[in-house]
Amino acid sequence: DAGVTQSPTHLIKTRGQQVTLRCSPKSGHDTVSWYQQALGQGPQFIFQYYEEEERQRGNFPDRFSGHQFPNYSSELNVNALWLGDSALYLCASSPGGRGTDTQYFGPGTRLTVL
Amino acid sequence: AQKVTQAQTEISVVEKEDVTLDCVYETRDTTYYLFWYKQPPSGELVFLIRRNSFDEQNEISGRYSWNFQKSTSSFNFTITASQVVDSAVYFCALSEGGLTGGGNKLTFGTGTQLKVEL
Repeated sequence: DAGVTQSPTHLIKTRGQQVTLRCSPKSGHDTVSWYQQALGQGPQFIFQYYEEEERQRGNFPDRFSGHQFPNYSSELNVNALWLGDSALYLCASSPGGRGTDTQYFGPGTRLTVL
Repeated sequence: AQKVTQAQTEISVVEKEDVTLDCVYETRDTTYYLFWYKQPPSGELVFLIRRNSFDEQNEISGRYSWNFQKSTSSFNFTITASQVVDSAVYFCALSEGGLTGGGNKLTFGTGTQLKVEL
């Protein structure tokens, strides 16, 4: 049973560029959440997708956008990158969006903005 | 607003020692869920346990045990007879998601780096 997968593993971009990160949820899961983890910090919630709609959003600017596909996979897009966007981006999936639903995380994408 | 505090930034122990990681949370909801995750150097967050706000029973799983006390808003994690493989960053997290859906975002603490040495 495959767990949550993310691609790419590492990415280097320059300021002002745009980036797309991808996530495939665990089998049987329909809800995908994205988190940003800066070095030495805990993960910060970006947004959550369910049924191809953004259901919850954290305190992130509109430069951060996402999408969920009919097969439940998801993309995170970040426009106009700046140095502060350098972080580990984690994707998590769960079988629903209830509090009882445990989120399982992927290995993350390490983004470096130069 | 929900908040999770892990006051211990780093803990170093010698193998076979017991160690307790502290977690204090804040929430206005009566229904909430608490989690512990382990993050080894590889970066992937590994789920360890989930507790709901209605169940204050302590839980033991092998060398791991958890003490949930609503009176002090704490959810502490103890590793008995620690091993080198326990070295990682441990995160406590809180979700206020209800039973009807609507989202279950996690609010994480800043983590505790545990180093277990021989």
